[in-house]
Amino acid sequence: RKEVEQDPGPFNVPEGATVAFNCTYSNSASQSFFWYRQDCRKEPKLLMSVYSSGNEDGRFTAQLNRASQYISLLIRDSKLSDSATYLCVVTGPNTGKLIFGQGTTLQVKP
Amino acid sequence: DAGVIQSPRHEVTEMGQEVTLRCKPISGHNSLFWYRQTMMRGLELLIYFNNNVPIDDSGMPEDRFSAKMPNASFSTLKIQPSEPRDSAVYFCASSLSGARSDTQYFGPGTRLTVL
Repeated sequence: RKEVEQDPGPFNVPEGATVAFNCTYSNSASQSFFWYRQDCRKEPKLLMSVYSSGNEDGRFTAQLNRASQYISLLIRDSKLSDSATYLCVVTGPNTGKLIFGQGTTLQVKP
Repeated sequence: DAGVIQSPRHEVTEMGQEVTLRCKPISGHNSLFWYRQTMMRGLELLIYFNNNVPIDDSGMPEDRFSAKMPNASFSTLKIQPSEPRDSAVYFCASSLSGARSDTQYFGPGTRLTVL
């Protein structure tokens, strides 16, 4: 079983749609959680950290459910520029080592 | 401000040749990470350094791979001899202290093709 699992998609949605991505992780001792964004043939960049209380950054909302070992990302009012691969990331229990999911591809259509 | 710098951006080589990838982390960052990304395996951590010292090299695939960080502003990842299955994008990243909550900043990557 992979340490971080995501549905690879692709998710094809029209502009303005709301889309949600989910991710599960296997190590209950994981401490920190993130969503990274990776554009085609570019490097990953931090989109947002994920906190237990849930957090929002503009059109983006991230949630963490430690009991279910589940992380989500909600994008409201999708823009063409949101088209990218979204990587779910957790850290190991005692280190800063990042463990990446395979990513979920989002394609926003006009 | 300059981000993480990697060179070369593209490398094409023949099987059996030595390949050296280079990385300059963001100034002031104390942790440096080498990753490899392939379609099959996604993004995997190969090794990371804290204050120039290797902390975890459990992701280094085999003895053909080696990494060094002689000073705070430079690191190399060497593959000798290279094999076609080493073809991938290699990313270097740095963070302030390596703490779990630190943001890691990635370089643009080196796209390696081994023929």
